[in-house]
Amino acid sequence: AQSVAQPEDQVNVAEGNPLTVKCTYSVSGNPYLFWYVQYPNRGLQFLLKYITGDNLVKGSYGFEAEFNKSQTSFHLKKPSALVSDSALYFCAVRDNNQGGKLIFGQGTELSVKP
Amino acid sequence: GAVVSQHPSRVICKSGTSVKIECRSLDFQATTMFWYRQFPKKSLMLMATSNEGSKATYEQGVEKDKFLINHASLTLSTLTVTSAHPEDSSFYICSASPPGQGWEKLFFGSGTQLSVL
Repeated sequence: AQSVAQPEDQVNVAEGNPLTVKCTYSVSGNPYLFWYVQYPNRGLQFLLKYITGDNLVKGSYGFEAEFNKSQTSFHLKKPSALVSDSALYFCAVRDNNQGGKLIFGQGTELSVKP
Repeated sequence: GAVVSQHPSRVICKSGTSVKIECRSLDFQATTMFWYRQFPKKSLMLMATSNEGSKATYEQGVEKDKFLINHASLTLSTLTVTSAHPEDSSFYICSASPPGQGWEKLFFGSGTQLSVL
């Protein structure tokens, strides 16, 4: 079965420092990978996706993610964190065996301190 | 970008009553909408896929008689939690994708926090 794992429940970063939110995946076939962000009591917002092409994907709000096939990872990164980046981040993979629905990871709470 | 509106944002009800949650695609037609359930600081669990003009497709373990889904138009899907109990308290989120984008870019409603007393 397709799945994604986010090994960290929480990530703490100082404002201005680089941030990384980790995600690993397990799929059969080519992976379609996504990152979403959720602010408190809000729905999810799309950040970026990897379908094919360049391994480094650039997305919204200065975020980017690197697809690494050998490590089956799709870590989310940002060179300089902002306090406003504090939110819940979800990695997701498209389940090509079940009509293409998205399977979400358990989420990582990012906290950026001034 | 595309907008998905969800209403109400918060509802408190007594045990045994039914609650209806609406999900609207405001600037595109959505033949398919999706309903998720999220527990505090937990992942999203897909409950069902709502199909315009036909029956919803429920995920394994989700009671279709408990969570009634109606997708009567191309811009509206509703989720009714029937005979709600405290264990149904949760954050419910709907999502939809503009035509032709499939699963590649879902737009989410802002969610509904249901509290059953």
